[in-house]
Amino acid sequence: GENVEQHPSTLSVQEGDSAVIKCTYSDSASNYFPWYKQELGKRPQLIIDIRSNVGEKKDQRIAVTLNKTAKHFSLHITETQPEDSAVYFCAASHGGATNKLIFGTGTLLAVQP
Amino acid sequence: EAQVTQNPRYLITVTGKKLTVTCSQNMNHEYMSWYRQDPGLGLRQIYYSMNVEVTDKGDVPEGYKVSRKEKRNFPLILESPSPNQTSLYFCASSFNREDGYTFGSGTRLTVV
Repeated sequence: GENVEQHPSTLSVQEGDSAVIKCTYSDSASNYFPWYKQELGKRPQLIIDIRSNVGEKKDQRIAVTLNKTAKHFSLHITETQPEDSAVYFCAASHGGATNKLIFGTGTLLAVQP
Repeated sequence: EAQVTQNPRYLITVTGKKLTVTCSQNMNHEYMSWYRQDPGLGLRQIYYSMNVEVTDKGDVPEGYKVSRKEKRNFPLILESPSPNQTSLYFCASSFNREDGYTFGSGTRLTVV
């Protein structure tokens, strides 16, 4: 079945710097790749997603890139702010007729003021 | 307000005592799913449902049951809870198979 690996597990950056989180997936049939942000004690919330027919997508300070050949995708956060501190999860759809999302193990991002 | 509602938020129970965690969504979503979250393991899918009366196992279904008799409800049933089911549980729903999930607030379950 699908396996999603996420790196790094923890990331500390200075406010204003960029942060990059990388994920790889195993199922070449995967076609949907969302990213979730989970603040301490709260539910995961969708922040951006990308589909397999697109190589890059941006939303203000957040961007996601997808390399289908290499089966990896990345989250880029520019001009980081303390409120970006959270756990970030990548995920990949299993493909087919289901919405069977497989998640990575998460990245704890700490933005130091 | 569009939302996924789980109950209870917190639950402490004893080994072997059957329990049900309820999940309800008001967005007319077809897809619903249950995940458990454990430190270092991320979110692992327990069961998912593509529509009424259509359910399938996720990656960690052992010890759990689900039902989908109505579109809005997707309860998670632990027939005989064990301590290794102590975890944070999330219900989630999406409109179709290529939409991201909306998550509920979570249920923190402790089995002693």
